This record gives sequence, structure tokens and C-alpha cells, in this order.
Amino acid sequence: SYELTQPPSVSVSPGQTASITCSGDKLGDKYAYWYQQKPGQSPVLVIYQDTKRPSGIPERFSGSNSGNTATLTISGTQAMDEADYYCQAWDTTTGVFGGGTKLTVL
Amino acid sequence: QVQLQESGPGLVKPSQTLSLTCTVSGGSISSGNYYWNWIRQPAGKGLEWIGRISTSGSTNYNPSLKSRVTISVDTSKNQFSLKLSSVTAADTAVYYCARGAAAAGFDNWGQGTLVTVSS
Repeated sequence: SYELTQPPSVSVSPGQTASITCSGDKLGDKYAYWYQQKPGQSPVLVIYQDTKRPSGIPERFSGSNSGNTATLTISGTQAMDEADYYCQAWDTTTGVFGGGTKLTVL
Repeated sequence: QVQLQESGPGLVKPSQTLSLTCTVSGGSISSGNYYWNWIRQPAGKGLEWIGRISTSGSTNYNPSLKSRVTISVDTSKNQFSLKLSSVTAADTAVYYCARGAAAAGFDNWGQGTLVTVSS
């Protein structure tokens, strides 16, 4: 079965750039999606089709996807960005999530 | 604005069938080219996609759960449903319903409902 691998945790200082990676076999041949989940809340889509931001998502969120790795980048990270982040892709008709990355802003 | 709301028993006994319904409000479940999904999350763990259904009734399931899962849609009630049979404690989780479109991700989620499997 297809697997997506994320680092369990990433730390960043306020105002700096955070990068969260997601690795999977030939992931660049698929679309990658990213979700933000804060404690006690439902996930929120922050990036779709590798690089696109849904309406209402700040410009500091960006994405890329090439080869075996997709990356979510948060520029000028703010305290409010502290959350769990999940990547997701489709293996033909099966949805697959990465294990999630806890982003700490300190 | 479309909203999704899960409903169903919060406690299910082992070996029984978990049944949940997702009610879509603020728009027709039949409008647009959407898939309607179920996703779950055990406490403190990550997200797991369970399956999806189109409004034409076409379904796709997670292979790891396929033998136990049935997803159905009732367009007249603007609802879709999940049945998971032969549950065990490992099926204890928050269950979310979510809207998805081809190549657009899961753009609209319900608030989630906790289902505990225990005798």
C-alpha cells in the first residue's frame, strides 16, 4: 500500500520560515494536499493541487511537489500557525494521509 | 455556505456495527461534482481515510477496511452514511465526514463525532 512519511515534529521561531516535508514514492506524479489541524478542531485545507491556496488561507502558506517529496512552507510563521499538519495524496482511488507533523512555534 | 454534521451513537459494543450519518446543509448534496468522504482519527493519532461516495452511488474504500465498510447516500435527505461492521476497540476514534472534489482536496469538514467501542 502507498505510504506518505512526515517528520513527527518541526520547530520554528516566530517570523522565520517553517518547512514540513512529505515523502512518498513518485509523489511528484500525484497532487499533494495539506491540512492544518489545531487541538480540538477539524482539519482545514491549506494547500491543494501542490501549490494552490483555498480562499481565506494566508499567502504565507505555500507548497511544492517534485520527485518523491512535497513540501509545505510557512513564511513569517506566526504563533497562530502552531498546529498539526497532514499531507495527503490519492493512490488511484484510495486516499492516503501522512502521519502528521506537529509544528511548534517558539 | 455548505455545512456538514455527523450524527450517530457515541458508544458501540464490540462486534456490533457502527452507524453514522452526515447531514449536508446549505446546499444540495447532488450539486457539483463532489465526493462525500468519511475520515477518522483515533485520540492522539493521525487521520485515516475510510472511503467515499459520489452522488451517483459510486464508492471507493480504504483497502484495509473494505471488508467491513459500507457507505451509502440518500439524496432525498441530503445525507450520506457510514456503516462499519464487527467493530473492536481499535475502531474507537473521532469520525469526520468531509466533502471532496476531484483534485481539490477535502475542502469542507464536519465537526467530528467521537465513537467509543466498549462493552
